[in-house]
Amino acid sequence: GAVVSQHPSWVICKSGTSVKIECRSLDFQATTMFWYRQFPKQSLMLMATSNEGSKATYEQGVEKDKFLINHASLTLSTLTVTSAHPEDSSFYICSANKLGSASYEQYFGPGTRLTVT
Amino acid sequence: SQELEQSPQSLIVQEGKNLTINCTSSKTLYGLYWYKQKYGEGLIFLMMLQKGGEEKSHEKITAKLDEKKQQSSLHITASQPSHAGIYLCGADEFGGKLIFGQGTELSVKP
Repeated sequence: GAVVSQHPSWVICKSGTSVKIECRSLDFQATTMFWYRQFPKQSLMLMATSNEGSKATYEQGVEKDKFLINHASLTLSTLTVTSAHPEDSSFYICSANKLGSASYEQYFGPGTRLTVT
Repeated sequence: SQELEQSPQSLIVQEGKNLTINCTSSKTLYGLYWYKQKYGEGLIFLMMLQKGGEEKSHEKITAKLDEKKQQSSLHITASQPSHAGIYLCGADEFGGKLIFGQGTELSVKP
């Protein structure tokens, strides 16, 4: 159990357009979902923490108006990259904490590769 | 804020050799996680350590957390090509967030 999916797995979009990435916990309910981005050969950088039914908490330096996060249910969070630019090209990974879990173990999605042309 | 420093940043070993990756924290660790990642893919959970002096093993991988809970090591015995990938240590921060070290890229030569 504890499977997290992301959709799409990769996407190419034109500069100026918006892209939505979905993160779903398939077999459990998630109290919190996290969004990370990862540049080539670099580690994961936390972008924001998302709780169902409330506003996301963004890390310092992450533009909330550019990276819109919606957490509509206990199994779905979405990240929308608005007015994407080539510098937004990256690997975006989400993770989820299992509701009722005693530990803070996070379950990671497979990632979404975004390329902005 | 807490910072995690991993060493080495990259490692090339011959198949069958043992290796160790280290993760050092600027603050006391309350939860230390080890993950493996293939480039361009998601993270695979390996182990979690919480107590000072704790040691866990899974197959040929052993992770330890020192008594002071500021340093962890990941040891692979008799490495195989399947062990190749990026190893990341992560630490609990307030609110269930994880911060990560910069990663160690492991290559295993057959």
